[in-house]
Amino acid sequence: DTEVTQTPKHLVMGMTNKKSLKCEQHMGHRAMYWYKQKAKKPPELMFVYSYEKLSINESVPSRFSPECPNSSLLNLHLHALQPEDSALYLCASSFGQISYEQYFGPGTRLTVT
Amino acid sequence: AQRVTQPEKLLSVFKGAPVELKCNYSYSGSPELFWYVQYSRQRLQLLLRHISRESIKGFTADLNKGETSFHLKKPFAQEEDSAMYYCALKENAGGTSYGKLTFGQGTILTVHP
Repeated sequence: DTEVTQTPKHLVMGMTNKKSLKCEQHMGHRAMYWYKQKAKKPPELMFVYSYEKLSINESVPSRFSPECPNSSLLNLHLHALQPEDSALYLCASSFGQISYEQYFGPGTRLTVT
Repeated sequence: AQRVTQPEKLLSVFKGAPVELKCNYSYSGSPELFWYVQYSRQRLQLLLRHISRESIKGFTADLNKGETSFHLKKPFAQEEDSAMYYCALKENAGGTSYGKLTFGQGTILTVHP
C-alpha cells in the first residue's frame, strides 16, 4: 500500500458538533502531518507528529485537537468550529520529519455551517 | 522567517513552447527546496527535490543560492502539464520548526494546444 488515505471525503458539520477526520498510511512512515488548504491557496501546516509524538503545533486553535494513536494512524478531532474553518484538510506522511519527501492524501473537504 | 515567492499566479503557454515557473525564497539557513504539482482532481504530489538533481516528466530545477531561486523549467511544454505548481521550502536549521514545509502561493500553468 503506497498511499495516504483520508476519511471522510466530505464533511458538513454545525458549529456545535464534534467530529473527527482520519488519516492512515501503511508505508512505514514515522512522521505525519495535518495541513489546511483554503480555495486557491497553498497548504498551511497545522501539526506534525514524529514517532507518534507531537513535534510541531503551528499555534492552531484548541478547537482542533490532533491525535496519533499509532504509527499508521492520525486523527484530527474537531469541536466548536467556526464557518471560517471550512477548508480542505490534507494529511501527509514521510519516512522522517527531516529530509524526506511528504506524501499527501486526497484531503477531506470540510464545511462548517 | 522563511518565505517562498512565486511571482506568477497564472502562466499560459502553447504546446511545444518552453516554460519557466519562477520561485524565489528567503531563508537564513541551508534550505531544501521542492516542487509539488496538483493536477485537476488529483492529490498534491512531489515533482522534484533539489538534492536529487533529477529530471521528472522533462522538468528540471536548479537551486541558485546566489539569487535565492529555484525556478522550474521545461523545454517543450505538453498539454498534460497543465496544473497548479507549488514551490516549497523545508527548514533544516533546527529550532521549533525543524522540518517544516512552507509553500509558495502557487502558479497555475495552462498549456494550450
